[in-house]
Amino acid sequence: KNEVEQSPQNLTAQEGEFITINCSYSVGISALHWLQQHPGGGIVSLFMLSSGKKKHGRLIATINIQEKHSSLHITASHPRDSAVYICAVRSRETSGSRLTFGEGTQLTVNP
Amino acid sequence: DGGITQSPKYLFRKEGQNVTLSCEQNLNHDAMYWYRQDPGQGLRLIYYSQIVNDFQKGDIAEGYSVSREKKESFPLTVTSAQKNPTAFYLCASSIVGTGTYEQYFGPGTRLTVT
Repeated sequence: KNEVEQSPQNLTAQEGEFITINCSYSVGISALHWLQQHPGGGIVSLFMLSSGKKKHGRLIATINIQEKHSSLHITASHPRDSAVYICAVRSRETSGSRLTFGEGTQLTVNP
Repeated sequence: DGGITQSPKYLFRKEGQNVTLSCEQNLNHDAMYWYRQDPGQGLRLIYYSQIVNDFQKGDIAEGYSVSREKKESFPLTVTSAQKNPTAFYLCASSIVGTGTYEQYFGPGTRLTVT
């Protein structure tokens, strides 16, 4: 079993829909990251959080440390949101800034 | 502009040849990382370095080698010993400290070995 599990693996939505991507992890963490990978392959960091909730534009990330679970929400989705969304955690047990990554969720938003 | 550059974007090699992937950053970050991405799998750590002239193996270091002679540069060599070298390779960098810091990623190099 992977230390970081994401669901769903694939998600297709219509423009304007509210989207939720889930991430569960099995280790104690010091931080959780949400990343976005566009078709060209480059990855950008969306959020880094260790508790509570963060919001940036139409994106919201939440984390429940007790339940070892995080969600990424996209409100009023748009075709340009189509990308792979990756959850990654920094385990308290590992050294340095090593991250463990989920397999990613492929999101397609149709116009 | 500050950032991470990887070159080339696409690389083709014949089986049995060593190949070196370039990674340069001008973010003044101490830590640098190499990841491999395969379809349907999460990123896997190959090597990382937290300071010049020092580096550690990640989860899948076999068949790879690195050097860190300069803070800005962390080249990865894919050797002929790597059994399945065809993959997408991503380099990243971050601050080193007692807190948790974002990793900044390069655009990646897609390596195809035939």
